[in-house]
Amino acid sequence: GAVVSQHPSRVICKSGTSVKIECRSLDFQATTMFWYRQFPKQSLMLMATSNEGSKATYEQGVEKDKFLINHASLTLSTLTVTSAHPEDSSFYICSATGRVNSPLHFGNGTRLTVT
Amino acid sequence: KQEVTQIPAALSVPEGENLVLNCSFTDSAIYNLQWFRQDPGKGLTSLLLIQSSQREQTSGRLNASLDKSSGRSTLYIAASQPGDSATYLCAVRLDSSGYSSASKIIFGSGTRLSIRP
Repeated sequence: GAVVSQHPSRVICKSGTSVKIECRSLDFQATTMFWYRQFPKQSLMLMATSNEGSKATYEQGVEKDKFLINHASLTLSTLTVTSAHPEDSSFYICSATGRVNSPLHFGNGTRLTVT
Repeated sequence: KQEVTQIPAALSVPEGENLVLNCSFTDSAIYNLQWFRQDPGKGLTSLLLIQSSQREQTSGRLNASLDKSSGRSTLYIAASQPGDSATYLCAVRLDSSGYSSASKIIFGSGTRLSIRP
């Protein structure tokens, strides 16, 4: 089946630093990738939608200058949390899909802890 | 605005029971609906995908139904096992942007399922 690889799985960083999270589709071309944030015992909150080769579309309330998304190829999207603060600590999950009638496949998530 | 609701929020049943998880959505203009499973601290695993033209999908002990007109989907789990314990989420893909693959996917808040040995 389709596989989405997300790296790193865990990261601890100091306040003020930037962290990059990668999301790769391993065996299919991901025309669209989604980035989600999940707080404990809550559902996924969509942060942004990125299409290959174009700018990401951010959800209301998500700072595009803080959460930089790049989708440079059909197999890779990156989320960079810039100048991270403790309140950015969360579980970040990416997902990818090809055609509109294709399933959505998820990475295993990245646990970000900002100290 | 599309809203997706899952009831109950949590469910605990003894091993071996058949059970049904519910998902409802307010706008029937969906492209498809997908059920996922999430284990603690992990990503999501796709279980079943139902296109808007379909009424049900089956995989092993799982059966998902879709009634678009009433805005409902159910996930039926037969002969439940302790390994089925997880959070189950349903997600609808909106049809508002036609055939664009960038159409949004809206998640329910999930049902935390616990199967007692």
